[in-house]
Amino acid sequence: GAGVSQTPSNKVTEKGKYVELRCDPISGHTALYWYRQSLGQGPEFLIYFQGTGAADDSGLPNDRFFAVRPEGSVSTLKIQRTERGDSAVYLCASSPHGGSYEQYFGPGTRLTVT
Amino acid sequence: RKEVEQDPGPFNVPEGATVAFNCTYSNSASQSFFWYRQDCRKEPKLLMSVYSSGNEDGRFTAQLNRASQYISLLIRDSKLSDSATYLCVVNLPGRRALTFGSGTRLQVQP
Repeated sequence: GAGVSQTPSNKVTEKGKYVELRCDPISGHTALYWYRQSLGQGPEFLIYFQGTGAADDSGLPNDRFFAVRPEGSVSTLKIQRTERGDSAVYLCASSPHGGSYEQYFGPGTRLTVT
Repeated sequence: RKEVEQDPGPFNVPEGATVAFNCTYSNSASQSFFWYRQDCRKEPKLLMSVYSSGNEDGRFTAQLNRASQYISLLIRDSKLSDSATYLCVVNLPGRRALTFGSGTRLQVQP
């Protein structure tokens, strides 16, 4: 079946611009996670949705980062006033429900801020 | 101190070798433990969960030592296709999110 998909696969933007990254989880998965991975590091948690609500947003680095999941499926991560330090691979993962710890990752969006 | 620490490697081993990775975690209340595998420029994929009693999946054996707060992964009879980064992953108490180590890179050579 279809896995987690993310678009775009690559995004290059200028410092100060606004970007949106999209995640389409596995159908029926109620839990959705966003992580960020910098070169040479493991993924770092950003935010977790259970259904439509953000159950844990403690990993968002600052108020320039925001994410939504209005209908409980597709999610969008939004970054305002991008900075060069935001350059990373943004990974989305989903799991069947919040109690399941196996998370299925999408291929990621590689964001480059110039 | 990082919550999950791993030796970054790389571990360069010949085909057929046995190789072991360790990882330590700082929060003694951590609840669940995993090894994920990540190929170059790809997403992480679950390799195996780690249980207190130890568990084996083919050539792979994972063990957890709660008293010393470390997790190990043993790979026997290494294959070229085992070349990847192995991420040690912990689930902290009360959190659904996973906490990842920085990964250990393995390169199996012919």
